[in-house]
Amino acid sequence: NAGVMQNPRHLVRRRGQEARLRCSPMKGHSHVYWYRQLPEEGLKFMVYLQKENIIDESGMPKERFSAEFPKEGPSILRIQQVVRGDSAAYFCASSILGGRVDTQYFGPGTRLTVL
Amino acid sequence: TQLLEQSPQFLSIQEGENLTVYCNSSSVFSSLQWYRQEPGEGPVLLVTVVTGGEVKKLKRLTFQFGDARKDSSLHITAAQPGDTGLYLCAGSSGGSNYKLTFGKGTLLTVNP
Repeated sequence: NAGVMQNPRHLVRRRGQEARLRCSPMKGHSHVYWYRQLPEEGLKFMVYLQKENIIDESGMPKERFSAEFPKEGPSILRIQQVVRGDSAAYFCASSILGGRVDTQYFGPGTRLTVL
Repeated sequence: TQLLEQSPQFLSIQEGENLTVYCNSSSVFSSLQWYRQEPGEGPVLLVTVVTGGEVKKLKRLTFQFGDARKDSSLHITAAQPGDTGLYLCAGSSGGSNYKLTFGKGTLLTVNP
């Protein structure tokens, strides 16, 4: 099953450290989306990327968060100087076209815990 | 800001019962998707509806998109313990149609 892969599945960081979350889209998919699910909240859109391009990062916090999707390799969501409020489940989704009815397929998520 | 309200928030029923969960908004969506999420996993797509009034069936699950494309419902017939999970609706609209807006979900428990 070549679904969306995310790693690590669980990540523990201390305040001030960096967190790197990886996402490998489904085979043939060139569109990647990151969402964050805070406790007791619904999933919130963070960023939409195509290969080597950030299309929409309107849901990303302005500081400490960045994302990339290089020509080769997985998409990376990077959180610098993590704080306790960053503790959440981070989900990556991918799609083929990125259009109106293009289905987004989700990965299993990375659970980030900041101590 | 577009919001999707899901109700009920929690639902616990016995095996064999029927149930309906709702997804409502004051905003119009160009498409709406239903997902099921199990603990520790990502959402798994069940269905996408795009036309007002559309009804789709997936075995014992029936999905309906409201005529005005502001609301949707999911009906499960003869629920089974395997139906247990968090049911999420998500909508997209406008120019940023890739940007899914999610409800908080209905947590369904089907007891044997």
